[in-house]
Amino acid sequence: DSGVTQTPKHLITATGQRVTLRCSPRSGDLSVYWYQQSLDQGLQFLIQYYNGEERAKGNILERFSAQQFPDLHSELNLSSLELGDSALYFCASSVERLPGPLHFGNGTRLTVT
Amino acid sequence: EDQVTQSPEALRLQEGESSSLNCSYTVSGLRGLFWYRQDPGKGPEFLFTLYSAGEEKEKERLKATLTKKESFLHITAPKPEDSATYLCAPGGSQGNLIFGKGTKLSVKP
Repeated sequence: DSGVTQTPKHLITATGQRVTLRCSPRSGDLSVYWYQQSLDQGLQFLIQYYNGEERAKGNILERFSAQQFPDLHSELNLSSLELGDSALYFCASSVERLPGPLHFGNGTRLTVT
Repeated sequence: EDQVTQSPEALRLQEGESSSLNCSYTVSGLRGLFWYRQDPGKGPEFLFTLYSAGEEKEKERLKATLTKKESFLHITAPKPEDSATYLCAPGGSQGNLIFGKGTKLSVKP
């Protein structure tokens, strides 16, 4: 058990809808990362937060947004969903701001129909 | 542009048959090279961090090594429970890990 909790485990929704994915990092970790994993693309970095502030941005679509709250949990919001957004979304946490061992949750599987 | 290539994409071994997985990378401002194991339906599990060329790390049947352009994951006398996808991830200057697509390892008894 990595100590990173993601909810929900599975999400099925229709095109055009909006969903929110939630992540609770390991106790003591200040950095939260979001990654998207699809079959053909592998793990793609979306965004990183450190102690409530956005630190780095990857290939995150404008329809997607995230935030980290004062209690350090994070939410990833996906809107105007398209079929191609179907994927596994992982949250990871680490103690440091710079690259260090990331500890991953077990992901949220999003299916857009 | 930062790039990571892992080979082979898939590897089938008999139990006890040793082999190596390769990770080639081009990353500006490299900050560590990380190896992960991922089981189906699970999040990646951290294995090793390597920070400088020539460094080696070992854990049970796994040994990771690092050069300036490549990293290798050596698997000695693998067992069926070693079957998983192994991911390599250099740390980039932006503060994130850049993942390769992985090598899917199957070890048959």
